Amino acid sequence: DAGVIQSPRHEVTEMGQEVTLRCKPISGHNSLFWYRQTMMRGLELLIYFNNNVPIDDSGMPEDRFSAKMPNASFSTLKIQPSEPRDSAVYFCASRSSSPLHFGNGTRLTVT
Amino acid sequence: KNEVEQSPQNLTAQEGEFITINCSYSVGISALHWLQQHPGGGIVSLFMLSSGKKKHGRLIATINIQEKHSSLHITASHPRDSAVYICAVPGGSQGNLIFGKGTKLSVKP
Repeated sequence: DAGVIQSPRHEVTEMGQEVTLRCKPISGHNSLFWYRQTMMRGLELLIYFNNNVPIDDSGMPEDRFSAKMPNASFSTLKIQPSEPRDSAVYFCASRSSSPLHFGNGTRLTVT
Repeated sequence: KNEVEQSPQNLTAQEGEFITINCSYSVGISALHWLQQHPGGGIVSLFMLSSGKKKHGRLIATINIQEKHSSLHITASHPRDSAVYICAVPGGSQGNLIFGKGTKLSVKP
């Protein structure tokens, strides 16, 4: 079991550029979560998929953010255009029941 | 929406000390999670508990459902226990969690 795999681990980009974060959940897990972690706000849910269907996207900050899960083994979180305030660590997590399994996160820096 | 408060925010201890981290929440829940975030950033689930107490090695988690309060204890603390400890409770949508801001623990040798 390789765990939840996220890529890239680090991303540095300029304001206005498109950023795509990737996640491969643990095989057999039917729920996938995207979280953002900042010093000020801690961990916050962005969007949650169940059986590849978005269930709750109320945490997506604005239309610049979009997420897809085309199949059970892959999800993307896209920011277009990126802004400096999007700088944070983005975590993907998956589960079938409990507990939640986290990826190692993608540290995004937007300059 | 459930509000999750952790205390203390930061904690420094000497190796061998007994550690207690507290978590309070505002709305009744079915279960509470304790997570550990390593200095490198990875997050690991430590416990999920709905009543009473759970123990894993030197870690003990307790919960009082009536008082809406949970504690995480570390016995005989060690520098490798240095991490951020986060408590989390179920959120509004199925499967989601609401997280506390975390307690940053530093254990000095």
